[in-house]
Amino acid sequence: EDQVTQSPEALRLQEGESSSLNCSYTVSGLRGLFWYRQDPGKGPEFLFTLYSAGEEKEKERLKATLTKKESFLHITAPKPEDSATYLCAVQGYGGSYIPTFGRGTSLIVHP
Amino acid sequence: DTGVSQDPRHKITKRGQNVTFRCDPISEHNRLYWYRQTLGQGPEFLTYFQNEAQLEKSRLLSDRFSAERPKGSFSTLEIQRTEQGDSAMYLCASSLDLGDQETQYFGPGTRLLVL
Repeated sequence: EDQVTQSPEALRLQEGESSSLNCSYTVSGLRGLFWYRQDPGKGPEFLFTLYSAGEEKEKERLKATLTKKESFLHITAPKPEDSATYLCAVQGYGGSYIPTFGRGTSLIVHP
Repeated sequence: DTGVSQDPRHKITKRGQNVTFRCDPISEHNRLYWYRQTLGQGPEFLTYFQNEAQLEKSRLLSDRFSAERPKGSFSTLEIQRTEQGDSAMYLCASSLDLGDQETQYFGPGTRLLVL
């Protein structure tokens, strides 16, 4: 069974204070690892898909990296508008390709 | 295209009533997923369709839940005889399966409250 563990559960940063969110996973053959941002009361918003170890993707202040066991979402010089819950999900080749989501990291960036 | 849409956005019902939610996917997407999300949790898979065929159901999906996707377009999720434990956000996502690559895009969700 695929598993995803995200840490920390919650993170408070000052504006401009860079940090990283972790997503540890176990999967029977990685088909894709996904990062989403979710604002309260809204659906998840797609950020990145990573397919193989060593891959990196960037978007504005966010950078996602992938190894064979974990992924990091690096946030550089965050702003208050980056406050949200960040979800990680994995999709494996075993079975029916159903994604498994972690519980998310709740990020609050203080001005 | 404006993305995945869901209707209604909010639903309050009394225990024992039936409710139906609708999801309109991104037009060229061939897969459609339903998830349930409760506070502090990630989305939990319920069921998915490849075109009009329902290919997988989670064990979370009791007999009171049914989903359809007629003609491979929009989808409906019905919950019969609602219970207070059904209160949650119901999310729909769609994707285009390209063999080795598939990214799901989510709708805004339908928040259900069962009194």
